[in-house]
Amino acid sequence: SFVLTQPPSVSVAPGKTARITCGGNNIGSKSVHWYQQKPGQAPVLVISYDSDRPSGIPERFSGSNSGNTATLTIIRVEAGDEAAYYCQVWDTSSDHVVFGGGTKLTVL
Amino acid sequence: QVQLVESGGGVVQPGRSLRLSCAASGFTFSGYAAHWVRQAPGKGLEWVAVISYDGSKKYYADSVKGRFTISRDNSKNTLYLQMNSLRAEDTAVYYCARGGRGEEGAFDIWGQGTMVTVSS
Repeated sequence: SFVLTQPPSVSVAPGKTARITCGGNNIGSKSVHWYQQKPGQAPVLVISYDSDRPSGIPERFSGSNSGNTATLTIIRVEAGDEAAYYCQVWDTSSDHVVFGGGTKLTVL
Repeated sequence: QVQLVESGGGVVQPGRSLRLSCAASGFTFSGYAAHWVRQAPGKGLEWVAVISYDGSKKYYADSVKGRFTISRDNSKNTLYLQMNSLRAEDTAVYYCARGGRGEEGAFDIWGQGTMVTVSS
């Protein structure tokens, strides 16, 4: 089955840029979605179809996807961005949704 | 407003059954696929099942296939998850989520979640 690999944690200082990666075999051929989840809350979609930003999501959030790695980039990081971030794809070979293991973003 | 509201969670003994519901409002429920996603305490997100917008297609995670059944009643704007033969490892918060027109769409709307605890 398709596997998505994320780093367990990423740390960044306020105002800097955070990059959270999501690795998978030829993931560039799939559409990747990204979710933000704060403690005790339901996940929120922050990037869909690799790089589309839903209404209400700040322009500081962007996404890219190529080769074996998809990346969520957050520029000018704020304390409120501290959360877990999950990547997700639809695996057509198994007709399954696959989530990455999640990355905890810590704002120093 | 657009929202999903889950209900039906609780404490249940191993081997017993439970049915979760997810009531949709504020959008045309019948136009979207719908998913169940769960999260065990302190763990990441785990996809459980999806049903197509018209109920004609259903897919399940290997961990629940044969035990759980996803269904929907578009006339009642409600999604269901029938969970049988429950195990301790099914303990989690269960979220319903709106997908796209197809099964590959992003989950743009989530419910607040309902807790299921499987314990004797």
